[in-house]
Amino acid sequence: KAGVTQTPRYLIKTRGQQVTLSCSPISGHRSVSWYQQTPGQGLQFLFEYFSETQRNKGNFPGRFSGRQFSNSRSEMNVSTLELGDSALYLCASSLSVGGAYNEQFFGPGTRLTVL
Amino acid sequence: EDQVTQSPEALRLQEGESSSLNCSYTVSGLRGLFWYRQDPGKGPEFLFTLYSAGEEKEKERLKATLTKKESFLHITAPKPEDSATYLCAAPTGNKLTFGGGTRVLVKP
Repeated sequence: KAGVTQTPRYLIKTRGQQVTLSCSPISGHRSVSWYQQTPGQGLQFLFEYFSETQRNKGNFPGRFSGRQFSNSRSEMNVSTLELGDSALYLCASSLSVGGAYNEQFFGPGTRLTVL
Repeated sequence: EDQVTQSPEALRLQEGESSSLNCSYTVSGLRGLFWYRQDPGKGPEFLFTLYSAGEEKEKERLKATLTKKESFLHITAPKPEDSATYLCAAPTGNKLTFGGGTRVLVKP
């Protein structure tokens, strides 16, 4: 079956702009989690969505937000971009809520560069 | 504070040279220790979950073990295709906390 897909794969933005990233989970998976990966901080949890509701949230400012649609597809939005937001953004899907406790399937990521 | 720490940061091996990667954790009430493999330009790929001290799991040349304070990923007779970054992670609260990873390079 098809894996987790993320679009776009690469994105270049300038400071102050906003960006929307998209994630389509594996068919039948209802939980989508988002992570930020940087060389300095490693992989950090952003938030988890299940049944169109944010269930868990990491320690990121309110500029980072997301949503989930009825077909489980998810988007994350970053407003007022800062240079430090340059990172690989990964989404991961799992069958049930509580992705932290279950096997997660990761997409290839979206590489965001902020100039 | 709950923490997950991996060592070494990088490991260079000759093909066939077995070695171990360390993941130490300070997580109260551990509810699973996960190992993932990440290739350049790709997302992490699930390898193992361990739940209790003494548990071991194997997959091809990889074997993961768990104690009350650490987990080890043993790579036996590695091949160049085992080159990757290996990540361990543990649930802390309702989020998954990852270690910094160990970059493994296996030279033929």
